[in-house]
Amino acid sequence: SAVISQKPSRDICQRGTSLTIQCQVDSQVTMMFWYRQQPGQSLTLIATANQGSEATYESGFVIDKFPISRPNLTFSTLTVSNMSPEDSSIYLCSVKLAGITDTQYFGPGTRLTVL
Amino acid sequence: DAKTTQPPSMDCAEGRAANLPCNHSTISGNEYVYWYRQIHSQGPQYIIHGLKNNETNEMASLIITEDRKSSTLILPHATLRDTAVYYCIVINTNAGKSTFGDGTTLTVKP
Repeated sequence: SAVISQKPSRDICQRGTSLTIQCQVDSQVTMMFWYRQQPGQSLTLIATANQGSEATYESGFVIDKFPISRPNLTFSTLTVSNMSPEDSSIYLCSVKLAGITDTQYFGPGTRLTVL
Repeated sequence: DAKTTQPPSMDCAEGRAANLPCNHSTISGNEYVYWYRQIHSQGPQYIIHGLKNNETNEMASLIITEDRKSSTLILPHATLRDTAVYYCIVINTNAGKSTFGDGTTLTVKP
């Protein structure tokens, strides 16, 4: 497996502001993903983070609301823009590792509360 | 990816085997069955996966029926720390991404 770290681990933000979440992996990565988990719900895929190009977003998620960067193989950021209380969720980074085909590994998550 | 169906909740006595079922009747030939679990407030943890043969590792065993339409995750000696939400998902190796269902909340009781 790998060590996947996320920063911040949690935050409380005001409505209308933006928060950038960082994900760092200590191993070679083939794919990186961002998920959202709303309170009491399962995980929902937001997007696939592509190195050096625009992320691939799932239905219902748009770049203006959730801009994603992936400047290199092992680092990605997700920004939650113009936040509202409905954005209160856990945001999870997930990766597939080089040499390990389809298994996804998850970071510890970032717990976001929007007031 | 194929849809999976799991019971919403199960209980298990500590020290006994926990058997978690999953239906994936629309699974196709190149799709794997994966199991993850999520302990409260943590990221999901990979447990095990298989294609058509039964699999075992240090955490659990995975039994896949011959027609591959269902599977069972077995925790041989459940402990209180196994209390978690268990997700069964089916992954197309060419699709890249994983889609999670609602999972089964397993509660291990003393």
